[in-house]
Amino acid sequence: KAGVTQTPRYLIKTRGQQVTLSCSPISGHRSVSWYQQTPGQGLQFLFEYFSETQRNKGNFPGRFSGRQFSNSRSEMNVSTLELGDSALYLCASSLGEGVSNQPQHFGDGTRLSIL
Amino acid sequence: TQLLEQSPQFLSIQEGENLTVYCNSSSVFSSLQWYRQEPGEGPVLLVTVVTGGEVKKLKRLTFQFGDARKDSSLHITAAQPGDTGLYLCAGAWAGGFKTIFGAGTRLFVKA
Repeated sequence: KAGVTQTPRYLIKTRGQQVTLSCSPISGHRSVSWYQQTPGQGLQFLFEYFSETQRNKGNFPGRFSGRQFSNSRSEMNVSTLELGDSALYLCASSLGEGVSNQPQHFGDGTRLSIL
Repeated sequence: TQLLEQSPQFLSIQEGENLTVYCNSSSVFSSLQWYRQEPGEGPVLLVTVVTGGEVKKLKRLTFQFGDARKDSSLHITAAQPGDTGLYLCAGAWAGGFKTIFGAGTRLFVKA
């Protein structure tokens, strides 16, 4: 069974640009969550999608957005990139209804570096 | 603010030693999960605990959920170099559609 796939694995951008990251969940999983991981802040929750609807959002500015498609694949977009956006962006999928008690399966992340 | 505090932040031990890492919060969780993350990879789920006082064992790893469901511990017996990694605890609430993570305990086991 294929795991969670995130593309690209590495990305280098400059300040002011925008970026789109992609996540393909495990087949049959309908919930996708996104996290930002940095050495200083650890894993921070960005947002969670289920059946193309965003059900919860973390404390990030509006430059961070996401969406989910009918096949459960998800994308997140960051506009007007800042140096502080450099991080590992992780996607996790689970079966659905809620993340509570549902094991989350993580991809290996996209390492985003802002120059 | 809902926070999960993990301690210690860093731990460096010799192979064969025992260790315990802790995860504490003022919030009550419906479930708590432990993950291990290795460099260049995403976190991998080790265990989920849902019942206050629950103890789960996974080979040399023992996980305990506090009676009040606010804290948890992970005990490793006879640590091996392969146990090296970042150990993360994560708490979730029923219907919350959100999981919060602790900052992690970085464990290094020397051969």
